[in-house]
This record gives sequence, C-alpha cells and structure tokens, in this order.
Amino acid sequence: GAVVSQHPSWVICKSGTSVKIECRSLDFQATTMFWYRQFPKQSLMLMATSNEGSKATYEQGVEKDKFLINHASLTLSTLTVTSAHPEDSSFYICSAEQGNTEAFFGQGTRLTVV
Amino acid sequence: QQQVKQSPQSLIVQKGGIPIINCAYENTAFDYFPWYQQFPGKGPALLIAIRPDVSEKKEGRFTISFNKSAKQFSLHIMDSQPGDSATYFCAASKGFQKLVFGTGTRLLVSP
Repeated sequence: GAVVSQHPSWVICKSGTSVKIECRSLDFQATTMFWYRQFPKQSLMLMATSNEGSKATYEQGVEKDKFLINHASLTLSTLTVTSAHPEDSSFYICSAEQGNTEAFFGQGTRLTVV
Repeated sequence: QQQVKQSPQSLIVQKGGIPIINCAYENTAFDYFPWYQQFPGKGPALLIAIRPDVSEKKEGRFTISFNKSAKQFSLHIMDSQPGDSATYFCAASKGFQKLVFGTGTRLLVSP
C-alpha cells in the first residue's frame, strides 16, 4: 500500500506554545487528507478534512483557530496546535487518499503538553 | 445516525481460537466497511474491507461477514496468534470519505 509519513512521531511542548505536525504522502499525490485525534484507549475522532489548495473543513466542536490546517501541496498537510494546553495532549493521526480510493494512515504523533 | 457500534470492548482467546468482533451501523448511505488493526503508539493499518454488494470477503486469516438487511458486519480471525494481539477498529463511510470509527476492541491472544 501507499506510504503516509508523519513527523514528528512524538513531541513535548510547554503550555502556551504552538506545535506543528506534518503529514506527507510519500509515493502518491493526496487530493484529500484527514486529521484525527485519539485519546488513550479510545477511538479515532475526525477533526478535519483538507483538500489541496482550499480551506479545511472542520468537524463540529473542533476549534479551527486552535487547530490550523494547511494543505499547501498534493503531498503535504500540516496541523498546527496553537497555544497548546495540557488538555490538547493526545495522539494525532493523519490519513491521505488519492481521488476516491482507500485512505492510508500515518503512524501518528504523540503530543504531550506540559 | 453516524454512529458505528462495536462489540465486545475486549476479548481474550487462546492461540488458534477464532475471535469474532461485531459492528452495527445506522446510516444506510454507508457503502464502505473497513477493519483496521492498531498496535500501541502506531497508526491504524487497513486489514480488510468490504462493500455491501457481497456478504463475505476473506483475505488470508481475516474474514468479514456482512449482513446488509441487519446493518451489521463482523470480523473473524482464523487460527489467531499472539502477534494478532492489538486493538481492532471497524469503520464505515460513504465512498472513501470521512470514516466513522467504531469504539475499538482490544484483543489478547494468549500463547
């Protein structure tokens, strides 16, 4: 299957700072990328859908000003957690798909805000 | 209507056993039903997926059974091994967009 890479795999940041997470499709062009959040021992919850060159569509209850998503190219989407707080600590996972095919998931990014 | 209900929450089987995980959905517009395997600290990996036009699909030791009228689908793992110990998620979507995940099943296969 296609490869989706996330960076970093884990990050620790201080409360109040911003953190950027990258999601790259390594061997295909991703028309759509999805960002999920997963708390320990819980399911994946979709945060937003991003299409290259257009604004992301956020799910209900997700603060778009706090979770900034940029999908500047067909192989890269970034999620920036702004003014992070301890309650933002979670496992963030992206997936990417190319034109109505199955989505491939990244390995996830563990964010810890201290 | 967007929910996907998954059971059981956890499951312990002996090596060689056949764990069965069940999911039920409500939205009849869903037409793609994948199963994912997730190890701790890793992203989910697609195991097998089914469309509603077939009632069963088998890939290796993994089988999906699909009951369109009951809006239910299940995963069977044949000859389970300790390496299959992981969390399994069912999901559903219309097309390949916006997957709705089940709550997950933590499987432990004892040696």
